[in-house]
Amino acid sequence: QLVLTQSPSASASLGASVKLTCTLSSGHSRYAIAWHQQQPEKGPRFLMKVDSDGSHMKGDGIPDRFSGSSSGAERYLTISSLQSEDEADYYCQTWGTGIRVLFGGGTKLIVL
Amino acid sequence: QLQLQESGPGLVKPSETLSLTCTVSGGSMSSSTYYWGWIRQPPGKGLEWIGSIYHSGSTYYNPSLKSRVTISVDTSKNQFSLNLRSVTAADTAVYYCARERDTDVVTPDYWGQGTLVTVSS
Repeated sequence: QLVLTQSPSASASLGASVKLTCTLSSGHSRYAIAWHQQQPEKGPRFLMKVDSDGSHMKGDGIPDRFSGSSSGAERYLTISSLQSEDEADYYCQTWGTGIRVLFGGGTKLIVL
Repeated sequence: QLQLQESGPGLVKPSETLSLTCTVSGGSMSSSTYYWGWIRQPPGKGLEWIGSIYHSGSTYYNPSLKSRVTISVDTSKNQFSLNLRSVTAADTAVYYCARERDTDVVTPDYWGQGTLVTVSS
């Protein structure tokens, strides 16, 4: 069964970098995923697609501070030079034959 | 700039039908590259995809909701709609409409602001 697993929370200091992880379930390690950001009290925003080879394609207007990468069944979102507005929930998402759009549980990022 | 706006009642009684409409502006719904979808988020919880529709009327639904959901489209008005039948308190959520890219990636790439729907008598 296709499942995306994310840590519930993460924290990092202002100006530092943070790497968020999304893990694909067994047998699905070659799936691409997408990352979405949801700032407090706002609708989500598409950040980027990340392929199994680590290549990524960003959405419109997404700053260079956001990048994606992959290793095995893990997909990563790295945010560098953290700013206060990066404090948000981050969701990974994939697609499959059983369900067209599937989200992970989300990671709440706290900027210290 | 593409914009999506949800509209509909903010309060629905248990066992009744939740009906929402999404109005799309700044772009045409008839593009071959996109589906148009609904996603919801219960208070304090994560995102759940409900379903999506192509401009031709072809649909996909979340298997867990399929028996209660109908999504329809009116391209002449640049709108698509959600009907969720026999609602309970568990259907209380913020409902988002979104454009779904359908190329090398299947993902919502533009989202509405969302509308809170509460199920309560």
